[in-house]
Amino acid sequence: QQQVKQSPQSLIVQKGGISIINCAYENTAFDYFPWYQQFPGKGPALLIAIRPDVSEKKEGRFTISFNKSAKQFSLHIMDSQPGDSATYFCAASGGRSEKLVFGKGTKLTVNP
Amino acid sequence: DTGVSQDPRHKITKRGQNVTFRCDPISEHNRLYWYRQTLGQGPEFLTYFQNEAQLEKSRLLSDRFSAERPKGSFSTLEIQRTEQGDSAMYLCASGGSGANVLTFGAGSRLTVL
Repeated sequence: QQQVKQSPQSLIVQKGGISIINCAYENTAFDYFPWYQQFPGKGPALLIAIRPDVSEKKEGRFTISFNKSAKQFSLHIMDSQPGDSATYFCAASGGRSEKLVFGKGTKLTVNP
Repeated sequence: DTGVSQDPRHKITKRGQNVTFRCDPISEHNRLYWYRQTLGQGPEFLTYFQNEAQLEKSRLLSDRFSAERPKGSFSTLEIQRTEQGDSAMYLCASGGSGANVLTFGAGSRLTVL
């Protein structure tokens, strides 16, 4: 059973545009929601993370929006650049388990 | 280099052979995780260590898989009698106490022929 559902599977945007990736979770015990960025041949790298006590967190061009009642969170990449082209994973953890549960990923392509 | 190191980076083996992967976490991190990632999918949790204790195992970890972290530092993941379905990237991650942040290694890619 997939506990974190991510969409879209792939996304193409133009340079300077806004990229938006959405995730939904089921387990109400989750209390930590990170986004990871992965380039081909590399391991995932933490991009930004949020806890459910805030509705938004911004770091540079990256913003997480969090809706606790809807059990949804999203990543917004402002002014998208070709260097942002990568696969993005949302994840969640919390409750009795120490593990991070990942979404299936979104392959982002930013055209120059 | 203070990141998470994994070795080997790529392993090609024949079905039925045993393989072992090694992970060296960031030195001050007491938490260590193994994940498996197949093409086009997100990482799937396999197992978790806090220091030398293996505290959590996924149902994905069949009897052919075993992981150890004997002195609470490096860890090994062994797969016995490999099957073609074991072909994947095996990722190791580590984290410090009291923090959720995980740092991943570059992974060990297994190809079973």
